[in-house]
Amino acid sequence: SQQGEEDPQALSIQEGENATMNCSYKTSINNLQWYRQNSGRGLVHLILIRSNEREKHSGRLRVTLDTSKKSSSLLITASRAADTASYFCATDPRDDYKLSFGAGTTVTVRA
Amino acid sequence: EAGVTQFPSHSVIEKGQTVTLRCDPISGHDNLYWYRRVMGKEIKFLLHFVKESKQDESGMPNNRFLAERTGGTYSTLKVQPAELEDSGVYFCASSPLANEKLFFGSGTQLSVL
Repeated sequence: SQQGEEDPQALSIQEGENATMNCSYKTSINNLQWYRQNSGRGLVHLILIRSNEREKHSGRLRVTLDTSKKSSSLLITASRAADTASYFCATDPRDDYKLSFGAGTTVTVRA
Repeated sequence: EAGVTQFPSHSVIEKGQTVTLRCDPISGHDNLYWYRRVMGKEIKFLLHFVKESKQDESGMPNNRFLAERTGGTYSTLKVQPAELEDSGVYFCASSPLANEKLFFGSGTQLSVL
């Protein structure tokens, strides 16, 4: 069954605005990762946050992890047209071996 | 550095035919994964190789799917015979460490008619 679930399914914002998307999961995890997929391309790894971490930054990306609520958020600040893509969270569960992905959030950045 | 390459990028076959997908991981990556995405739904795990061994193949839908990784290098995923519900995008990924920072190929779009 699906471990991680992104919300919202789709998001449309103006260039320069911030975009926030969330990921909820069901069981305890070792780490949570965010990936981006541009249309027709493969997924690209963005950031990994471990279960003992609460926040990580990478450039314009900020990821938070709340293990008590089993949720994570990805914030993209000052969005650009090139940020238009689908964003997926992936969880590495403690009680299972496979890295599980959600259905993704489709982000559209309008010029 | 070459990335993960998948071949073919697209395949259109008829129900009952056989299709073989190939994946060349990044050199030196022991971990190789196959995933599938159907109709915009979640990306589903199929299996995970560590070198030439199958670490986890619990996601393989049924015995019509056969994955191999010869000598711990490239991998093939064969579907025989193909059914309509096998249509989707098949992604291959590799990583140096298990379940961390996967590098994905561009995928194979499989259409079974």
